[in-house]
Amino acid sequence: ILNVEQSPQSLHVQEGDSTNFTCSFPSSNFYALHWYRWETAKSPEALFVMTLNGDEKKKGRISATLNTKEGYSYLYIKGSQPEDSATYLCAPLDAGGTSYGKLTFGQGTILTVHP
Amino acid sequence: SAVISQKPSRDICQRGTSLTIQCQVDSQVTMMFWYRQQPGQSLTLIATANQGSEATYESGFVIDKFPISRPNLTFSTLTVSNMSPEDSSIYLCSVELEGFGQPQHFGDGTRLSIL
Repeated sequence: ILNVEQSPQSLHVQEGDSTNFTCSFPSSNFYALHWYRWETAKSPEALFVMTLNGDEKKKGRISATLNTKEGYSYLYIKGSQPEDSATYLCAPLDAGGTSYGKLTFGQGTILTVHP
Repeated sequence: SAVISQKPSRDICQRGTSLTIQCQVDSQVTMMFWYRQQPGQSLTLIATANQGSEATYESGFVIDKFPISRPNLTFSTLTVSNMSPEDSSIYLCSVELEGFGQPQHFGDGTRLSIL
């Protein structure tokens, strides 16, 4: 079972603030890292799938970076809006052993953006 | 992207009873996944269901407790058997539409409370 840690567990910011959170994961047998956004009463929605060390992906005001050698990824939100309030989940996809092909989710970072 | 319908969306059940959750996809998919999120915990994979074969269960989950059916390429059910309060969770089904390692697409979840 992979050990996936996300920090902080929760975050409260004001509208317009920029914020970032961290996902750390084992770097061995790495295949890909997924980021999802999960709004209350909705289904988790994929934000990014990242595979290469040094990858940087962007979707609107949200971007993510990946370091596979040291086993971490950062998610950034620029100019947070109340509609960004959600739980942000990361999940590495393992390429070896008993975890092959399976996503292992972190506990998530709960973001609340106050108007 | 596909439409993934999950039923029921929520239920309150008595301990000792069983509940079957349905997941319907509007396109044919090879692999379907069942997850659980207990309060305060991470999203955890219960089992992977391939059409025409027995589901593959993750450590800590057994077929007697969580029997799964996968009668065709668009449908699966998960039964939570002999429920206890510890089974109070959000249960989610998901599918891979674009192939191995690509984003998973989730149903809206079933919010289950056991009294």
